[in-house]
Amino acid sequence: LAKTTQPISMDSYEGQEVNITCSHNNIATNDYITWYQQFPSQGPRFIIQGYKTKVTNEVASLFIPADRKSSTLSLPRVSLSDTAVYYCLVGPMEYGNKLVFGAGTILRVKS
Amino acid sequence: GAGVSQSPSNKVTEKGKDVELRCDPISGHTALYWYRQSLGQGLEFLIYFQGNSAPDKSGLPSDRFSAERTGGSVSTLTIQRTQQEDSAVYLCAILRTVGGGYTFGSGTRLTVV
Repeated sequence: LAKTTQPISMDSYEGQEVNITCSHNNIATNDYITWYQQFPSQGPRFIIQGYKTKVTNEVASLFIPADRKSSTLSLPRVSLSDTAVYYCLVGPMEYGNKLVFGAGTILRVKS
Repeated sequence: GAGVSQSPSNKVTEKGKDVELRCDPISGHTALYWYRQSLGQGLEFLIYFQGNSAPDKSGLPSDRFSAERTGGSVSTLTIQRTQQEDSAVYLCAILRTVGGGYTFGSGTRLTVV
């Protein structure tokens, strides 16, 4: 799986838009980009997945530039409950082996 | 998380004792994984099952760790002669057949005292 680089932590305030960028310079042609969210004492939870351009769901948006060497997870109008660790993973849709989680980004939302 | 049930949710055991952790996934998955997460750390891959293929055990930290999956569904992770460094949250995940993506259980918090 392609190695990813994310900021270690980010701070934000309630109501703001938060953008977390992930670098994956050696992404392969058949790799997808997937983001997970993890709260304390819980397993990671799937947020969004994309291949190119922009993907939006009820939770977040994912922006992927044409070269696909990076991606940005956008969380609109965050609330205190969005405080969590966010992981960026890059790999083929059908992982034949194991997921490789980096350290993730700790997002702290303040009131 | 919904779709993957893990038990127990918490386990405190004495050093040297054996423990069994259970993962009970929903049907309709192509693969099952075990990970562990130490306090404040990322996820560490342990073992992976897919279909009838031999499991990928490359992440197991020692021969005290073993896992099996019965009937292509329920999986048990066994840790023999537990050590304090085994204390962590043990997470089970499945790769869903429909829609892809991974669903994680809530984990078992193991504390070895």
